[in-house]
Amino acid sequence: RKEVEQDPGPFNVPEGATVAFNCTYSNSASQSFFWYRQDCRKEPKLLMSVYSSGNEDGRFTAQLNRASQYISLLIRDSKLSDSATYLCVVNPAWGGFKTIFGAGTRLFVKA
Amino acid sequence: NAGVTQTPKFQVLKTGQSMTLQCAQDMNHEYMSWYRQDPGMGLRLIHYSVGAGITDQGEVPNGYNVSRSTTEDFPLRLLSAAPSQTSVYFCASRLTARDRASTGELFFGEGSRLTVL
Repeated sequence: RKEVEQDPGPFNVPEGATVAFNCTYSNSASQSFFWYRQDCRKEPKLLMSVYSSGNEDGRFTAQLNRASQYISLLIRDSKLSDSATYLCVVNPAWGGFKTIFGAGTRLFVKA
Repeated sequence: NAGVTQTPKFQVLKTGQSMTLQCAQDMNHEYMSWYRQDPGMGLRLIHYSVGAGITDQGEVPNGYNVSRSTTEDFPLRLLSAAPSQTSVYFCASRLTARDRASTGELFFGEGSRLTVL
């Protein structure tokens, strides 16, 4: 079993749609969680951190369920510019060193 | 700030050749790491370092060596390249939890695209 698993995708949605990405992790000791965005042939960049209380940044909402070891990302009112690969990222323990990436979910937003 | 700088951006090798991918960061990050990214596989951790003189293995260390003689530099060495090492390589760095400013965010270089024939 992979340490971090994501929906395989791709997701094809029209502009304005709401799309949700799911991620599960296997290490219950994991302490910090993130969503990264990766554009084609570019380096990953931090989209947002994920907190137990849930957090929102504009059209993006991230949720964490520690009991279920589940992370989600919701994108509302999708834009063409949201087309990218979204990576779920987990640090095994706070300050832990083996940051683990999910394989990513590709999103295509169409006009 | 330059951030994380990787060189070269592109490289073609023949099987059995050796080379070094360079990585340098100017953010005084203690933690540095190397990932490879293959289609459908996501990023896989090769080696990482938590400070000068300290390195450890990640998920896929075989065929790669690293060293960390300074805080700024973390080169990745391929001693005898194989076609299976054809990939995109990313170097990434961040603060460690000992630094109060740490958010856990990883900062990446632009990647090095390696083809082994």
